[in-house]
Amino acid sequence: GQQLNQSPQSMFIQEGEDVSMNCTSSSIFNTWLWYKQEPGEGPVLLIALYKAGELTSNGRLTAQFGITRKDSFLNISASIPSDVGIYFCAGLTYYGGSQGNLIFGKGTKLSVKP
Amino acid sequence: SAVISQKPSRDICQRGTSLTIQCQVDSQVTMMFWYRQQPGQSLTLIATANQGSEATYESGFVIDKFPISRPNLTFSTLTVSNMSPEDSSIYLCSVDGLAGGPTYEQYFGPGTRLTVT
Repeated sequence: GQQLNQSPQSMFIQEGEDVSMNCTSSSIFNTWLWYKQEPGEGPVLLIALYKAGELTSNGRLTAQFGITRKDSFLNISASIPSDVGIYFCAGLTYYGGSQGNLIFGKGTKLSVKP
Repeated sequence: SAVISQKPSRDICQRGTSLTIQCQVDSQVTMMFWYRQQPGQSLTLIATANQGSEATYESGFVIDKFPISRPNLTFSTLTVSNMSPEDSSIYLCSVDGLAGGPTYEQYFGPGTRLTVT
Protein backbone atom coordinates (compact mmCIF):
# COMPACT_ATOMS: atom_id res chain seq x y z
CA GLY A 1 0.00 0.00 0.00
CA GLN A 2 0.88 3.66 -0.11
CA GLN A 3 3.39 4.85 2.47
CA LEU A 4 4.88 8.20 3.38
CA ASN A 5 8.42 8.60 4.68
CA GLN A 6 8.58 11.68 6.87
CA SER A 7 11.86 13.09 8.16
CA PRO A 8 13.33 14.01 10.45
CA GLN A 9 11.59 12.04 13.18
CA SER A 10 12.40 14.74 15.74
CA MET A 11 14.11 18.11 15.92
CA PHE A 12 15.54 20.10 18.83
CA ILE A 13 16.17 23.69 17.81
CA GLN A 14 16.85 27.09 19.31
CA GLU A 15 14.18 29.78 19.20
CA GLY A 16 14.67 31.91 16.11
CA GLU A 17 16.06 29.11 13.94
CA ASP A 18 14.43 27.96 10.73
CA VAL A 19 13.00 24.43 10.45
CA SER A 20 12.63 22.17 7.46
CA MET A 21 10.91 18.79 7.24
CA ASN A 22 9.82 16.66 4.31
CA CYS A 23 7.79 13.71 3.16
CA THR A 24 8.55 11.37 0.30
CA SER A 25 6.69 8.48 -1.25
CA SER A 26 6.97 6.02 -4.10
CA SER A 27 3.33 6.85 -4.93
CA ILE A 28 1.85 9.90 -6.62
CA PHE A 29 -0.59 12.08 -4.67
CA ASN A 30 -3.11 14.65 -5.88
CA THR A 31 -3.15 16.59 -2.63
CA TRP A 32 -0.63 17.14 0.14
CA LEU A 33 -1.77 18.34 3.55
CA TRP A 34 0.34 19.45 6.51
CA TYR A 35 -1.02 19.21 10.07
CA LYS A 36 0.20 20.20 13.52
CA GLN A 37 -0.86 18.28 16.61
CA GLU A 38 -0.31 19.57 20.13
CA PRO A 39 -0.59 17.37 23.23
CA GLY A 40 -4.20 16.53 24.04
CA GLU A 41 -5.53 17.97 20.79
CA GLY A 42 -6.56 16.73 17.37
CA PRO A 43 -4.45 17.57 14.31
CA VAL A 44 -4.96 21.08 12.95
CA LEU A 45 -4.70 21.66 9.21
CA LEU A 46 -1.91 24.15 8.43
CA ILE A 47 -1.53 24.11 4.66
CA ALA A 48 -3.17 22.30 1.73
CA LEU A 49 -1.40 21.85 -1.62
CA TYR A 50 -3.16 20.84 -4.84
CA LYS A 51 -0.80 21.31 -7.78
CA ALA A 52 2.65 19.96 -8.57
CA GLY A 53 5.19 22.72 -7.94
CA GLU A 54 2.75 24.76 -5.86
CA LEU A 55 4.37 26.87 -3.12
CA THR A 56 2.00 28.09 -0.40
CA SER A 57 2.60 30.16 2.72
CA ASN A 58 0.67 30.55 5.94
CA GLY A 59 2.40 33.15 8.10
CA ARG A 60 5.86 31.80 8.95
CA LEU A 61 5.04 28.45 7.37
CA THR A 62 5.80 27.62 3.74
CA ALA A 63 5.05 24.31 2.04
CA GLN A 64 5.69 23.02 -1.45
CA PHE A 65 4.14 20.27 -3.55
CA GLY A 66 6.98 18.45 -5.31
CA ILE A 67 7.18 18.47 -9.11
CA THR A 68 7.07 14.68 -9.26
CA ARG A 69 3.94 14.69 -6.99
CA LYS A 70 5.75 12.19 -4.77
CA ASP A 71 7.09 14.58 -2.17
CA SER A 72 6.41 17.71 -0.17
CA PHE A 73 8.28 19.85 2.32
CA LEU A 74 7.33 22.24 5.10
CA ASN A 75 9.51 25.11 6.31
CA ILE A 76 8.99 27.14 9.46
CA SER A 77 10.93 30.39 9.66
CA ALA A 78 12.10 32.10 12.85
CA SER A 79 10.70 29.44 15.18
CA ILE A 80 9.04 30.41 18.45
CA PRO A 81 8.20 28.29 21.53
CA SER A 82 4.55 27.88 20.48
CA ASP A 83 5.70 26.03 17.35
CA VAL A 84 6.30 23.00 19.59
CA GLY A 85 4.25 19.98 18.55
CA ILE A 86 4.14 17.09 16.13
CA TYR A 87 3.88 17.93 12.45
CA PHE A 88 2.28 15.39 10.12
CA CYS A 89 2.28 15.30 6.36
CA ALA A 90 -0.61 13.55 4.64
CA GLY A 91 -1.20 12.63 1.02
CA LEU A 92 -4.49 12.06 -0.77
CA THR A 93 -5.32 10.56 -4.13
CA TYR A 94 -8.58 10.75 -6.03
CA TYR A 95 -9.72 9.31 -9.33
CA GLY A 96 -12.68 10.50 -11.38
CA GLY A 97 -14.48 11.94 -8.37
CA SER A 98 -13.75 9.00 -6.06
CA GLN A 99 -11.60 9.88 -3.10
CA GLY A 100 -8.87 7.59 -1.87
CA ASN A 101 -7.70 7.45 1.69
CA LEU A 102 -5.67 10.15 3.42
CA ILE A 103 -2.27 8.58 4.16
CA PHE A 104 -0.26 10.03 7.06
CA GLY A 105 3.46 10.23 7.65
CA LYS A 106 4.82 9.19 11.04
CA GLY A 107 5.30 12.76 12.18
CA THR A 108 8.13 15.15 13.06
CA LYS A 109 8.29 16.10 16.72
CA LEU A 110 9.53 19.67 17.09
CA SER A 111 11.04 21.00 20.31
CA VAL A 112 12.06 24.66 20.60
CA LYS A 113 14.42 25.94 23.27
CA PRO A 114 13.70 29.53 24.34
CA SER B 1 -13.86 25.07 8.28
CA ALA B 2 -16.44 23.28 10.41
CA VAL B 3 -16.44 23.12 14.23
CA ILE B 4 -16.18 19.50 15.32
CA SER B 5 -16.82 18.21 18.83
CA GLN B 6 -16.37 14.75 20.31
CA LYS B 7 -17.82 13.16 23.42
CA PRO B 8 -16.43 11.94 25.71
CA SER B 9 -13.09 13.73 25.61
CA ARG B 10 -11.53 10.90 27.60
CA ASP B 11 -12.58 7.75 29.43
CA ILE B 12 -11.12 4.89 31.41
CA CYS B 13 -12.94 1.63 30.76
CA GLN B 14 -12.76 -1.93 31.98
CA ARG B 15 -11.83 -4.68 29.58
CA GLY B 16 -14.80 -6.49 28.05
CA THR B 17 -17.02 -3.41 28.06
CA SER B 18 -17.99 -1.14 25.14
CA LEU B 19 -17.76 2.63 24.65
CA THR B 20 -19.64 4.76 22.15
CA ILE B 21 -17.92 7.93 20.96
CA GLN B 22 -19.96 10.74 19.44
CA CYS B 23 -18.86 13.20 16.78
CA GLN B 24 -20.95 16.31 16.13
CA VAL B 25 -20.32 18.87 13.38
CA ASP B 26 -21.83 22.35 13.34
CA SER B 27 -22.65 22.19 9.61
CA GLN B 28 -23.59 19.53 7.09
CA VAL B 29 -20.59 17.70 5.64
CA THR B 30 -20.26 15.22 2.82
CA MET B 31 -17.81 12.80 4.35
CA MET B 32 -16.99 11.72 7.91
CA PHE B 33 -14.14 9.47 8.93
CA TRP B 34 -12.92 7.70 12.07
CA TYR B 35 -9.22 7.32 12.86
CA ARG B 36 -7.21 5.64 15.59
CA GLN B 37 -3.95 7.08 16.94
CA GLN B 38 -2.08 4.68 19.18
CA PRO B 39 0.26 6.20 21.79
CA GLY B 40 3.14 8.01 20.10
CA GLN B 41 2.03 6.88 16.65
CA SER B 42 0.55 8.36 13.52
CA LEU B 43 -3.09 8.22 12.46
CA THR B 44 -4.70 5.11 10.96
CA LEU B 45 -8.06 5.20 9.21
CA ILE B 46 -10.62 2.87 10.74
CA ALA B 47 -13.56 3.54 8.44
CA THR B 48 -15.51 6.02 6.37
CA ALA B 49 -18.91 6.73 7.88
CA ASN B 50 -21.52 6.77 5.09
CA GLN B 51 -24.80 8.53 5.66
CA GLY B 52 -27.72 6.14 5.39
CA SER B 53 -25.63 3.08 4.63
CA GLU B 54 -23.04 0.79 6.18
CA ALA B 55 -19.61 2.21 6.92
CA THR B 56 -16.64 1.31 4.72
CA TYR B 57 -13.95 -0.36 6.84
CA GLU B 58 -10.22 -0.46 6.21
CA SER B 59 -8.16 -3.62 6.31
CA GLY B 60 -7.73 -4.81 9.86
CA PHE B 61 -10.93 -3.22 11.17
CA VAL B 62 -14.31 -4.99 11.29
CA ILE B 63 -17.86 -3.90 11.94
CA ASP B 64 -18.36 -6.23 14.89
CA LYS B 65 -15.49 -4.57 16.75
CA PHE B 66 -16.06 -0.99 15.60
CA PRO B 67 -19.74 -0.48 14.69
CA ILE B 68 -20.38 2.97 13.22
CA SER B 69 -23.56 4.93 12.72
CA ARG B 70 -24.17 8.06 10.66
CA PRO B 71 -27.85 8.98 10.83
CA ASN B 72 -27.48 12.41 9.20
CA LEU B 73 -24.97 14.85 7.68
CA THR B 74 -23.81 16.31 11.01
CA PHE B 75 -23.45 13.35 13.40
CA SER B 76 -21.70 10.01 13.69
CA THR B 77 -20.86 7.50 16.40
CA LEU B 78 -18.08 4.95 16.74
CA THR B 79 -18.41 2.12 19.24
CA VAL B 80 -15.36 0.27 20.50
CA SER B 81 -16.74 -3.14 21.49
CA ASN B 82 -15.49 -5.79 23.89
CA MET B 83 -12.48 -3.65 24.75
CA SER B 84 -9.02 -4.90 25.62
CA PRO B 85 -5.95 -2.91 26.75
CA GLU B 86 -4.74 -2.95 23.12
CA ASP B 87 -7.67 -0.66 22.27
CA SER B 88 -6.16 2.12 24.40
CA SER B 89 -5.74 4.92 21.87
CA ILE B 90 -6.94 8.30 20.79
CA TYR B 91 -9.98 8.02 18.53
CA LEU B 92 -10.52 10.93 16.15
CA CYS B 93 -13.28 11.85 13.81
CA SER B 94 -12.65 14.00 10.77
CA VAL B 95 -14.79 15.61 8.11
CA ASP B 96 -14.40 16.66 4.50
CA GLY B 97 -16.50 19.08 2.57
CA LEU B 98 -19.65 20.94 3.20
CA ALA B 99 -22.61 19.06 1.74
CA GLY B 100 -22.39 19.21 -2.01
CA GLY B 101 -18.95 17.78 -2.57
CA PRO B 102 -15.52 17.03 -1.11
CA THR B 103 -12.87 19.69 -0.78
CA TYR B 104 -10.03 17.16 -0.32
CA GLU B 105 -9.16 18.76 3.01
CA GLN B 106 -9.90 16.91 6.24
CA TYR B 107 -10.57 18.66 9.53
CA PHE B 108 -10.27 16.78 12.80
CA GLY B 109 -12.14 16.79 16.06
CA PRO B 110 -10.27 17.08 19.39
CA GLY B 111 -10.16 13.31 19.89
CA THR B 112 -11.32 10.87 22.56
CA ARG B 113 -8.59 9.46 24.77
CA LEU B 114 -9.48 5.92 25.74
CA THR B 115 -7.66 3.88 28.35
CA VAL B 116 -8.68 0.27 28.87
CA THR B 117 -7.67 -1.38 32.12
